[in-house]
Amino acid sequence: EAGVTQSPTHLIKTRGQQATLRCSPISGHTSVYWYQQALGLGLQFLLWYDEGEERNRGNFPPRFSGRQFPNYSSELNVNALELEDSALYLCASSLRGQTLMEKLFFGSGTQLSVL
Amino acid sequence: AQSVTQPDIHITVSEGASLELRCNYSYGATPYLFWYVQSPGQGLQLLLKYFSGDTLVQGIKGFEAEFKRSQSSFNLRKPSVHWSDAAEYFCAVGGLAGGTSYGKLTFGQGTILTVHP
Repeated sequence: EAGVTQSPTHLIKTRGQQATLRCSPISGHTSVYWYQQALGLGLQFLLWYDEGEERNRGNFPPRFSGRQFPNYSSELNVNALELEDSALYLCASSLRGQTLMEKLFFGSGTQLSVL
Repeated sequence: AQSVTQPDIHITVSEGASLELRCNYSYGATPYLFWYVQSPGQGLQLLLKYFSGDTLVQGIKGFEAEFKRSQSSFNLRKPSVHWSDAAEYFCAVGGLAGGTSYGKLTFGQGTILTVHP
């Protein structure tokens, strides 16, 4: 069974551009979570989607947005990129019906570099 | 607001030695607590979790953790470390249903474990 897959693995952008990161959850999982892992800041919660709806959001500006598609895959969009957006972006998924966060499965991440 | 503190940024142990990684949390109610491990270039893997019940929880790879409410701690232990345990370890607390932190994991800063042969 395939795990959580994220694409691309690496992404290089310049300041002011937009970045789109993609995540495919494990088959049967309906919840998708996004986290930012930046040097010196640790892992920060970005967004949680379930059944196509945004359920919760971390303390990030509105230029961080996303969506979840009918097949439960998800996109994270970062507009007007800033240098400090350079980080590893991790996606995780979980099963519907489980106690929330009982077991999250993480992808290997997209390394975003903003020049 | 929930928070997690891992006081040790970097720990070095010899292979076969015992290990304890410290974690302290701040949360208004009985928390959901987790330990995750991250190997270089990899995502996070769940080692163990505590929701309720027995305060000593067993996880994968021979790890265990003990929830101590009086000390707001959830320390991770392993009796004998293997070279393959070298990685970064994260403690996390999860928000309860109905709260503003629902669905959110708050992570500590991580502890890097180095294992000497």
